[in-house]
Amino acid sequence: ELQLVESGGGLVQPGRSLRLSCAASGFTFGDYAMQWVRQAPGKGLEWVSGISWNSGTTGYADSVKGRFTISRDNAKNSLYLQMNSLRAEDTALYYCAKGEGDSYDYGMDVWGQGTTVTVSS
Amino acid sequence: QSVLTQPPSASGTPGQRVTISCSGSSSNIGSNYVYWYQQLPGTAPKLLIYRNNQRPSGVPDRFSGSKSGTSASLAISGLRSEDGANYYCAVWDDSLSGPWVFGGGTKLTVL
Repeated sequence: ELQLVESGGGLVQPGRSLRLSCAASGFTFGDYAMQWVRQAPGKGLEWVSGISWNSGTTGYADSVKGRFTISRDNAKNSLYLQMNSLRAEDTALYYCAKGEGDSYDYGMDVWGQGTTVTVSS
Repeated sequence: QSVLTQPPSASGTPGQRVTISCSGSSSNIGSNYVYWYQQLPGTAPKLLIYRNNQRPSGVPDRFSGSKSGTSASLAISGLRSEDGANYYCAVWDDSLSGPWVFGGGTKLTVL
């Protein structure tokens, strides 16, 4: 069964860092692009970042550019999101999502259950 | 304000057909595939329609997608109580540096 399991969320003070992880199983992880999408409490979906199958191409939303870094380890079937200089507005449920193709301009076809990040003093 | 415009709410009675619209521009819907996601309360989004009008395996054929110009629509026929959820459209935008854009979401209520 195809599965994505996020971890690493928690309560963090403004300005601090957090690293999210997403463990993938049930498919050939290295063949597909991956994405991070977040959802603030009571709000809609917001794309955060994407990475191609071989890490050759990455992209970020303007709201996180320069602060967040997406990466992957195909040998470990894992996706990561390093989040630095966190702000209150980064508070959200962060979803890991599988792309339907090898580049992140393909849509997202499978989503994890999410991990919650709360930025507050 | 979302780049893609969806009505905030929609409703219907069991058995009815409802349509949810998603309006964009030439740089997004007008030139790229539209995706639709269903988010039931307290759960993760689920892919409903991909590449404008394709259904993943397991999605009932009551759900259908279409696109015309810079607008797209999701239609749900034979409405059922379990269809009550939030629905989001998503599309790649050629003009933005944060390229994936989502509609603001439509909350569907089954009366």
